[in-house]
Amino acid sequence: ETGVTQTPRHLVMGMTNKKSLKCEQHLGHNAMYWYKQSAKKPLELMFVYNFKEQTENNSVPSRFSPECPNSSHLFLHLHTLQPEDSALYLCASSQDGRNNEQFFGPGTRLTVL
Amino acid sequence: GENVEQHPSTLSVQEGDSAVIKCTYSDSASNYFPWYKQELGKRPQLIIDIRSNVGEKKDQRIAVTLNKTAKHFSLHITETQPEDSAVYFCAATAVGSYKLIFGSGTRLLVRP
Repeated sequence: ETGVTQTPRHLVMGMTNKKSLKCEQHLGHNAMYWYKQSAKKPLELMFVYNFKEQTENNSVPSRFSPECPNSSHLFLHLHTLQPEDSALYLCASSQDGRNNEQFFGPGTRLTVL
Repeated sequence: GENVEQHPSTLSVQEGDSAVIKCTYSDSASNYFPWYKQELGKRPQLIIDIRSNVGEKKDQRIAVTLNKTAKHFSLHITETQPEDSAVYFCAATAVGSYKLIFGSGTRLLVRP
């Protein structure tokens, strides 16, 4: 599937590193999301952007910084992460932010050493 | 805050049997209830959804029921097949909300 793509697919970083996750959607959607998926925990919504405007910040620590330059691209900038931040980070998009099917990307498997 | 509880956490059935997964939600304003299937190593994908103006929806072997009074909804899979083995997530959202609250997931194993 190529509707929502994410890079990189795997990332290993130290706690002092700075890295960025990228998400791109080719579906013409207007809303994009970042989720964190940890083992044995529900999908946790992190951020929502609708028409490039951030509409949700689900009490996410400031070491995660999102950026949405346009409706097709979404970034998650990572800085001074903790080992407990290791997880699968999923990007999703939907037509708009209201009650519509969300299409997920393949995720970035992040390991923080 | 909003909460979605999902049961059971694991479910093992014999091929051909039915499987039922149940979810309850706390926000009475919720009006959209999707179900996602996530196969091992793959992304979650929508399999069926229901809106609050409907009590039941069916798509081939999959059906979802909604009880707004009791604030619970269920996924029913009939004639299960090994390829149905996956983790299933329920979710709920509210009117005008951008948030989709997911349940904790049910790992379904269909034994051949």
